[in-house]
Amino acid sequence: GAVVSQHPSWVICKSGTSVKIECRSLDFQATTMFWYRQFPKQSLMLMATSNEGSKATYEQGVEKDKFLINHASLTLSTLTVTSAHPEDSSFYICSATGYDLGVRTEKETQYFGPGTRLLVL
Amino acid sequence: GNSVTQMEGPVTLSEEAFLTINCTYTATGYPSLFWYVQYPGEGLQLLLKATKADDKGSNKGFEATYRKETTSFHLEKGSVQVSDSAVYFCALSDQETSGSRLTFGEGTQLTVNP
Repeated sequence: GAVVSQHPSWVICKSGTSVKIECRSLDFQATTMFWYRQFPKQSLMLMATSNEGSKATYEQGVEKDKFLINHASLTLSTLTVTSAHPEDSSFYICSATGYDLGVRTEKETQYFGPGTRLLVL
Repeated sequence: GNSVTQMEGPVTLSEEAFLTINCTYTATGYPSLFWYVQYPGEGLQLLLKATKADDKGSNKGFEATYRKETTSFHLEKGSVQVSDSAVYFCALSDQETSGSRLTFGEGTQLTVNP
């Protein structure tokens, strides 16, 4: 139980294009989803927190117009990197929290997706 | 604010050796503490957690005890395997001050040689 998926797992795009990454909770309802960015050999950097049906809360220094987050349902959040540039190349990871008796998720525990590796040429 | 400090890596051990990865924290409230593991090229997996003082989290032979007096949550395993090679992250969440947001340590790379 408590499975989170991401799609795509790998994406290569040209500079200036936009890329959308999906994060889905497969077997529980995710009331809150988080988006992280991770550089090689470094820890995770929280980019934003999104609650279903409301606007995302961005961390300081994260451009909300560049990293568009939509959390339209209890099982899906998307991150769109707009006008991507090589410096946006990174490993993007989402996580979700939610409480669902059916799959025994635990409140406040974040369940992570497998990550999406973005390479901007 | 909240912070997590982890033992610097990388850590290299031989199979069946004893493992300790130190983790200490600073928090203004009463946090929950977590260890996550990241295998190469993958996302994070929850390894174990503890939600209050003196709780012991355990999973797959790993264990960690929430020590409020020393503000620590050290990860231990009695006999490591090659398959334990990964990056380990200590983290905390403090519902009162930051909701479900996690504060991560820097991560410790563990390599286990046969």
